[in-house]
Amino acid sequence: EVQLVESGGGLVKPGGSLRLSCAASGFTFSSYSMNWVRQAPGKGLEWVSSISSSSSYIYYADSVKGRFTISRDNAKNSLYLQMNSLRAEDTAVYYCARTSDAFDIWGQGTMVTVSS
Amino acid sequence: DIQMTQSPSSLSASVGDRVTITCRASQGISNSLAWYQQKPGKAPKLLLYAASRLESGVPSRFSGSGSGTDYTLTISSLQPEDFATYYCQQYYSTLFTFGPGTKVDIK
Repeated sequence: EVQLVESGGGLVKPGGSLRLSCAASGFTFSSYSMNWVRQAPGKGLEWVSSISSSSSYIYYADSVKGRFTISRDNAKNSLYLQMNSLRAEDTAVYYCARTSDAFDIWGQGTMVTVSS
Repeated sequence: DIQMTQSPSSLSASVGDRVTITCRASQGISNSLAWYQQKPGKAPKLLLYAASRLESGVPSRFSGSGSGTDYTLTISSLQPEDFATYYCQQYYSTLFTFGPGTKVDIK
């Protein structure tokens, strides 16, 4: 079964850091670009970051550029999002998603809450 | 960045109704347009890509059309399981962007 499973979410204070992980299974992870998408409570979807299959190309939304770092380990079939200098407005469910033209496979999401 | 708008932001409809949702991009996106369905507490689900191509397993009552900057999602006969929020997304630019969503609820 093709699957993405996120982990690493939780409660963090403003200015703190958190590292999200996304474990892929059921497909050749190293062949696909991957993404992080977030959704603040009661709000719409916001694309956060993308990474190409070999990590050669990386892109960020302006809202997280300079604070978040996307990475992947193809040997471990895993995607990561290092989030630093977290703000209250980063509070959201964070999804990882596979790119196949559009985002065809999504994880179940992990909640990140930034609050003092 | 390419901005995406959707209309309406919400609509009320009955089972069996034909529903149309419109998505507009701030510049031409050459049919690099996807539609997603999201139900409360769940991850989004891909319905269509390339503006009109149905994702595997998605019912044929869902269809998409459009070109250039203007695109449409149509549900030909609304079913109870279709009450959800629908998002468009452009993937023409590597800075992907989503529309604000259209909530479809029961009249």
